[in-house]
Amino acid sequence: ETGVTQTPRHLVMGMTNKKSLKCEQHLGHNAMYWYKQSAKKPLELMFVYNFKEQTENNSVPSRFSPECPNSSHLFLHLHTLQPEDSALYLCASSNQGAGGGYTFGSGTRLTVV
Amino acid sequence: KNEVEQSPQNLTAQEGEFITINCSYSVGISALHWLQQHPGGGIVSLFMLSSGKKKHGRLIATINIQEKHSSLHITASHPRDSAVYICAAFSLGNEKLTFGTGTRLTIIP
Repeated sequence: ETGVTQTPRHLVMGMTNKKSLKCEQHLGHNAMYWYKQSAKKPLELMFVYNFKEQTENNSVPSRFSPECPNSSHLFLHLHTLQPEDSALYLCASSNQGAGGGYTFGSGTRLTVV
Repeated sequence: KNEVEQSPQNLTAQEGEFITINCSYSVGISALHWLQQHPGGGIVSLFMLSSGKKKHGRLIATINIQEKHSSLHITASHPRDSAVYICAAFSLGNEKLTFGTGTRLTIIP
């Protein structure tokens, strides 16, 4: 248990489905992040939330829709995805302004068929 | 060219060998992270350092700010050390992590 919990661990979805990824942290961190990790590429930042306000959207297609109802929970809503969206989606949290210590979740392995 | 480069990309070694993984970065940083990712996908933070050297068990991380270079060393390597090791540069100015592509380490018994 890392302190950041992601569910589900694995997800297979069709291109017409709608699904959601969930991330939860009870570390008292003020910032939460979604990252995408594709094969042989560095982690790519998708979204940043600070005190539940979105502070960064890194040119992510609108078929990915984040939601942060409070500073402990973060969702990534998925709809009409493409096969190239298959990847590992990682959530992380940190205390922005405190020097950069991050805690990562275990990730959701997403396969779009 | 990535702003954070790691070498080697893949490394296979025998159990007990001394391992070195290198990381060079071109961005201005306030801290350098070393992360470990096991096959299941989850990432564990090993070190965050901004100068000098840190040690935790058999792992040692060093950084040379002037040369913009960091190394991760593993002494007396063990098969359970097999994982992907990722370095990431943290910039306090924009509160962002920039990641390397990782080094896949395999330790053979």
